[in-house]
Amino acid sequence: KQEVTQIPAALSVPEGENLVLNCSFTDSAIYNLQWFRQDPGKGLTSLLLIQSSQREQTSGRLNASLDKSSGRSTLYIAASQPGDSATYLCAVRPPSNTGKLIFGQGTTLQVKP
Amino acid sequence: EPEVTQTPSHQVTQMGQEVILRCVPISNHLYFYWYRQILGQKVEFLVSFYNNEISEKSEIFDDQFSVERPDGSNFTLKIRSTKLEDSAMYFCASRYPEGISMNTEAFFGQGTRLTVV
Repeated sequence: KQEVTQIPAALSVPEGENLVLNCSFTDSAIYNLQWFRQDPGKGLTSLLLIQSSQREQTSGRLNASLDKSSGRSTLYIAASQPGDSATYLCAVRPPSNTGKLIFGQGTTLQVKP
Repeated sequence: EPEVTQTPSHQVTQMGQEVILRCVPISNHLYFYWYRQILGQKVEFLVSFYNNEISEKSEIFDDQFSVERPDGSNFTLKIRSTKLEDSAMYFCASRYPEGISMNTEAFFGQGTRLTVV
């Protein structure tokens, strides 16, 4: 059974720092991996999607990497800003036709001004 | 930009009552999903829906739950007799199918917070 784990559970950094959020999954047979942002009490905003054949994806200050064989993904946030404060969720899509996602518990990030 | 829309944003219901949560997926998407997130817990998959039928459901999705696409735009989740433990944020999601050169990432709505009292 696929399990997704994110560490750390919470992270507090000063503004301007570069940071890395980690995601690990137990079964390397995935179709893709998606990173989401969730603000308190709000929905999920898709940040990046990495296909299983890709190594990384970039969007602005965000860079996500994928090492499928070791079951790991990282989300790198450059030059963090207070507006980046949110919970970041990692989700893997198993290789089924239905396309369901299996989520980690998230990393709650606080960027202090 | 197209988005998934959910209504209502918050619903309070008494235990034992039926509730219907509504979603309007992105118009050219063909796969539809419901997930839930109990406060402080992971987002959990409930059900996927494609070609007017359920394609996969989780253990959570028992006989108390049903889904429907009553017309070309809406996608609903019905809970027949709500329990206290059904209190959660319910998310609808949709995506485009593979095999066509378009983005297949899942897009989520803003959620409906269901409170059962």
